[in-house]
Amino acid sequence: EIVLTQSPDFQSVTPKEKVTITCRASQSIGSSLHWYQQKPDQSPKLLIEYASQSSSGVPSRFSGSGSGTDFTLTINSLEVEDAATYYCHQSSSLPLTFGGGTKVEIK
Amino acid sequence: QVQLQQSGPGLVKPSQTLSLTCAISGDSVSSNSVGWNWIRQSPSRGLEWLGRTYYRSKWNNDYAESVKSRIIINPDTSKNHFSLQLNSVTPEDTAVYYCAREDWKYHWFAPWGQGTLVTVSS
Repeated sequence: EIVLTQSPDFQSVTPKEKVTITCRASQSIGSSLHWYQQKPDQSPKLLIEYASQSSSGVPSRFSGSGSGTDFTLTINSLEVEDAATYYCHQSSSLPLTFGGGTKVEIK
Repeated sequence: QVQLQQSGPGLVKPSQTLSLTCAISGDSVSSNSVGWNWIRQSPSRGLEWLGRTYYRSKWNNDYAESVKSRIIINPDTSKNHFSLQLNSVTPEDTAVYYCAREDWKYHWFAPWGQGTLVTVSS
């Protein structure tokens, strides 16, 4: 099973600051890594597909990068509405797995 | 626009069967370019993929090892939905359960159902 380790677990950020979240895979997964945003009491929503492709309708301040074992989700100029927990997910091999999540709080 | 609507009980007794349904609109359960998944979320286990069903000339299933002996995911083509059955539940199965559509090219999940909190308690 591929284990995804996210860091940090929690981040408190001022609006307009830049946020960087990392996801490390226990083995190489190519670009088969996706990012989701989950707001309280909501279902996860796809943000980034295949490591770096923005999903339809996602604001341009969200971007993804990386390949192999190390991946990054960046939020440029954080907005209040971005308060949420962010998860990475690998689809390289079964079982499909998720990272533990990074909670982003607005200061 | 694809939408998934979940239904099913929120309380199940220990040792009984958890049953949920996910109704699909805007797509077909028989589509050969997607998969239909169940995922659960709990504070102790985080997001956990449970399994999927998909049609590629015939119906196929994949299940997580952690639940493989207890799970059935079935499509229903007449109602355009798919279901989850989890047998012999224990309090550790208490979680929010989600259904989700899986893109078959890159295998991301979108959209997700609204989620159903299932509590296992007597």
